Amino acid sequence: GENVEQHPSTLSVQEGDSAVIKCTYSDSASNYFPWYKQELGKRPQLIIDIRSNVGEKKDQRIAVTLNKTAKHFSLHITETQPEDSAVYFCAASIGGGADGLTFGKGTHLIIQP
Amino acid sequence: DAGVTQSPTHLIKTRGQQVTLRCSPKSGHDTVSWYQQALGQGPQFIFQYYEEEERQRGNFPDRFSGHQFPNYSSELNVNALLLGDSALYLCASSLVSAAQGSGFGQGTRLTVV
Repeated sequence: GENVEQHPSTLSVQEGDSAVIKCTYSDSASNYFPWYKQELGKRPQLIIDIRSNVGEKKDQRIAVTLNKTAKHFSLHITETQPEDSAVYFCAASIGGGADGLTFGKGTHLIIQP
Repeated sequence: DAGVTQSPTHLIKTRGQQVTLRCSPKSGHDTVSWYQQALGQGPQFIFQYYEEEERQRGNFPDRFSGHQFPNYSSELNVNALLLGDSALYLCASSLVSAAQGSGFGQGTRLTVV
């Protein structure tokens, strides 16, 4: 089955700097790659996603890039703010948005004031 | 996603007991997926129900079973509870044809003692 690796496990950046979280996947049939943000004690929230027919997608300060050949995708957050502090999860699925997702282990992003 | 509701929010059970968790999907959605999130880990896909049948299943033992009702709501049943079943159980709903992933309910925190 699919395996998703996520790095780093913890990332500390200064407020205003950029943060990059990287994930790799194993199944070349995967075609949907969402990113979730989970604050302490809350449910994961979908923040951005990308499909395999697109190389990059941007939404304000966040962007996701996908390299199908290398089977890796990344989350980029620019101009980080204290409210960006959370655990971020990448995920992958084969069938699209409705199919079961395989998640990475998460990245704890810490924004230093 | 505010539209997905789960009950109960918290539950404490004893080893060996059985538990039933419930999920009501967002209005208009026909597919329900269940995930287990252990502390400090990413969510793991348990199974998905569509048209009252199990459509996909992750790597979970037969102690985990489910059901979907004609109104699309769903139950997750876990038999012979183990301490390791302690986790946050998340439900997500979508349309089976969805291009984008759906949001999660607020989850049920299960503690097995």
